[in-house]
Amino acid sequence: GQSLEQPSEVTAVEGAIVQINCTYQTSGFYGLSWYQQHDGGAPTFLSYNALDGLEETGRFSSFLSRSDSYGYLLLQELQMKDSASYFCAGSSNTGKLIFGQGTTLQVKP
Amino acid sequence: NAGVTQTPKFQVLKTGQSMTLQCAQDMNHEYMSWYRQDPGMGLRLIHYSVGAGITDQGEVPNGYNVSRSTTEDFPLRLLSAAPSQTSVYFCASSYSGRPGGETQYFGPGTRLLVL
Repeated sequence: GQSLEQPSEVTAVEGAIVQINCTYQTSGFYGLSWYQQHDGGAPTFLSYNALDGLEETGRFSSFLSRSDSYGYLLLQELQMKDSASYFCAGSSNTGKLIFGQGTTLQVKP
Repeated sequence: NAGVTQTPKFQVLKTGQSMTLQCAQDMNHEYMSWYRQDPGMGLRLIHYSVGAGITDQGEVPNGYNVSRSTTEDFPLRLLSAAPSQTSVYFCASSYSGRPGGETQYFGPGTRLLVL
């Protein structure tokens, strides 16, 4: 089976840095993706890690440790518009992409 | 490109009715999938397809059927609607069936209420 665990809520202030963790149990694990979803909207792709280490895309970075079955999304220089839900998603060699329950990020002024 | 389109945007059904949720993409993507999202929850995979003529079950396939006769279309059929199927349904596609590393493009969603 596959399961991904992430915190349900995170709160941070504008301009700060926040880290959203994700632990996974995925048979045939292939890689870890991150998606952002604003209220009422469709999820949008942020980042993907197949190999251990850090991937940086602008203000967002994502990290993966395959040996620890763990990853995180790092958001820097937080802006109010970053208030949204963030999902980690694990892909397997069967083609399935399974999502975590999501983390609601609230950015305060 | 229109991207991933879904119809209808909203639908109200009575228990026991059947219906088809439409999903189409014009990006020549091989991989397509259906998710449902309940309030405050993550996305749960219903069915997916790695190419025309190939479908497979996800996490929550019961009560739903799919087919993939063309690359562009991936309809989701509710056989006999139940209140537990009240949800927002998202269709997604990506370039290839290669697992991982592919950006999933999501449609705008279909909001379904079953009374």
